[in-house]
Amino acid sequence: AQRVTQPEKLLSVFKGAPVELKCNYSYSGSPELFWYVQYSRQRLQLLLRHISRESIKGFTADLNKGETSFHLKKPFAQEEDSAMYYCALRSGGSYIPTFGRGTSLIVHP
Amino acid sequence: ETGVTQSPTHLIKTRGQQVTLRCSSQSGHNTVSWYQQALGQGPQFIFQYYREEENGRGNFPPRFSGLQFPNYSSELNVNALELDDSALYLCASSSGDRVGAEAFFGQGTRLTVV
Repeated sequence: AQRVTQPEKLLSVFKGAPVELKCNYSYSGSPELFWYVQYSRQRLQLLLRHISRESIKGFTADLNKGETSFHLKKPFAQEEDSAMYYCALRSGGSYIPTFGRGTSLIVHP
Repeated sequence: ETGVTQSPTHLIKTRGQQVTLRCSSQSGHNTVSWYQQALGQGPQFIFQYYREEENGRGNFPPRFSGLQFPNYSSELNVNALELDDSALYLCASSSGDRVGAEAFFGQGTRLTVV
């Protein structure tokens, strides 16, 4: 069975500090990994996916198959980054995604 | 281009009743998926429809059923409501069921079962 673990329910940092939101997964095959974000009073939206290897709003995430992790990182947090972040996994060839429980990021001024 | 819209936004039902939630897909999208999000949890996949056929289902009992219409709008039906069905129900649409297709989410329907 596939599982996504986000160990931190809440992450609180000051503006300008580095941010790392942790995501670990369990799946034996080739997974697709995603990060979704939900800003206050907005709908859930895709932030980035590992197959694109892109940087969005300064965030990056690298898939580490050895450690089964897909941590989301940003070198300098901004107040507008405050939101709920969800890591999600979809197994290759399947259309059933599994979401983590989410991490609330609060960036203080 | 229009986004994903869900109706109603809020709903209160009594245990044992039936409920129908609706979702209008984003223009040009032929795939819709439904999620249940309990308080403090991430979205949990219920099922997905691609061109009016169910092509994926999560770990939900048969009393959760769905439909997708020719215009790709969709319904989620829940029979014999239980208190634990109280949650935010999310609908997401995407273009095709290909790997990596981005899903666009609606704002959700908050269902409360009393």
